[in-house]
Amino acid sequence: AQKVTQAQTEISVVEKEDVTLDCVYETRDTTYYLFWYKQPPSGELVFLIRRNSFDEQNEISGRYSWNFQKSTSSFNFTITASQVVDSAVYFCALSEVGKTSYDKVIFGPGTSLSVIP
Amino acid sequence: EPEVTQTPSHQVTQMGQEVILRCVPISNHLYFYWYRQILGQKVEFLVSFYNNEISEKSEIFDDQFSVERPDGSNFTLKIRSTKLEDSAMYFCASSEVGLVTEAFFGQGTRLTVV
Repeated sequence: AQKVTQAQTEISVVEKEDVTLDCVYETRDTTYYLFWYKQPPSGELVFLIRRNSFDEQNEISGRYSWNFQKSTSSFNFTITASQVVDSAVYFCALSEVGKTSYDKVIFGPGTSLSVIP
Repeated sequence: EPEVTQTPSHQVTQMGQEVILRCVPISNHLYFYWYRQILGQKVEFLVSFYNNEISEKSEIFDDQFSVERPDGSNFTLKIRSTKLEDSAMYFCASSEVGLVTEAFFGQGTRLTVV
């Protein structure tokens, strides 16, 4: 069965600190996608990144970076030099591919990040 | 950039009333989805739709719910007789055919049942 765990329910950091959001997933499939979404207080889901299971290269996009480790089934997200605008709920998510290619996305419970000025 | 559009952004309805949430998926997408997020909780899959029929549905998607693509551009979610516990944010999503896909989400409709 698919499952996504985000052990950190809430995190508070002071502006300019670095913060890492943890994500651990479970799947029996060898082909899958992992995602991170941001949900600001306004409520919409903002797509941040998608990673497929065959690409374990870490990715950096500005202040954001992602560390994908298949050996530990983790896909952690780091924000460097956090800013107040980073305050949001962040969801890690998993999608299996192959059986139906319907891309059903399974979301983790989310981590609420508060960046304090 | 193409986007999924949902209307209305916020809907208030009385318990027992029928409500229809509307979505315009990205034009070349063929797979459509509805997800639900009860306030403060995680986003949950409701249903997927392809080729004018439901592909998969979760246990949440009971007989009170139905989906339809009435005119080739809109994708709707109908709740026949709303309950208080249907109050949530509803997200529509769509994706292309093929393996290298990602689901594009709309901005959500906040449904409040009073």
